[in-house]
Amino acid sequence: QQQVKQSPQSLIVQKGGISIINCAYENTAFDYFPWYQQFPGKGPALLIAIRPDVSEKKEGRFTISFNKSAKQFSLHIMDSQPGDSATYFCAASFVGDYKLSFGAGTTVTVRA
Amino acid sequence: DTEVTQTPKHLVMGMTNKKSLKCEQHMGHRAMYWYKQKAKKPPELMFVYSYEKLSINESVPSRFSPECPNSSLLNLHLHALQPEDSALYLCASSQGNGLGTGRDGYTFGSGTRLTVV
Repeated sequence: QQQVKQSPQSLIVQKGGISIINCAYENTAFDYFPWYQQFPGKGPALLIAIRPDVSEKKEGRFTISFNKSAKQFSLHIMDSQPGDSATYFCAASFVGDYKLSFGAGTTVTVRA
Repeated sequence: DTEVTQTPKHLVMGMTNKKSLKCEQHMGHRAMYWYKQKAKKPPELMFVYSYEKLSINESVPSRFSPECPNSSLLNLHLHALQPEDSALYLCASSQGNGLGTGRDGYTFGSGTRLTVV
């Protein structure tokens, strides 16, 4: 049973466009929501993370939007670049559980 | 040093072989993890070590045997694996101080690509 549902499975965006990836969760105990970026043959790298007391967090071209009441969070990649082409995973965890519950992943392709 | 280093990067082993995967971090993290990742799938947790003690085993078959010799090192001993065990094996670490920030600094290594023939 997947605790975090992620969509879309894949997306293609033109260079300079906006990539949007959505995740939804059921467990209201989750209190930490990271996003990971993974290139082929590499391990996932932490991109940005948010806790539920904040509705939005921005780091460079990457923004997390968090809607606690809807139990949803999303990643926006602004001004997408070919180097952003990768698989993105959302995840969630709660205090006392070091396990990360991952979404299924979204493969982003940025066309030049 | 903000890295988790895994060796070897690639490993091919027969079903009767014994091999070990190694993981090292020098960030002072007290929680270390083994994950398994199949192609186009998210990582799946296998084991968690907290303060050098095994705290979580996600019902992993006994042909996988983890070991944490000290706070910086994590090994995964492999024996009598099956072809379906072929995957990317990822090591990760986090602060693990159990005070609500245990997930902070959760860092993955680049993984070992394991092929069982």
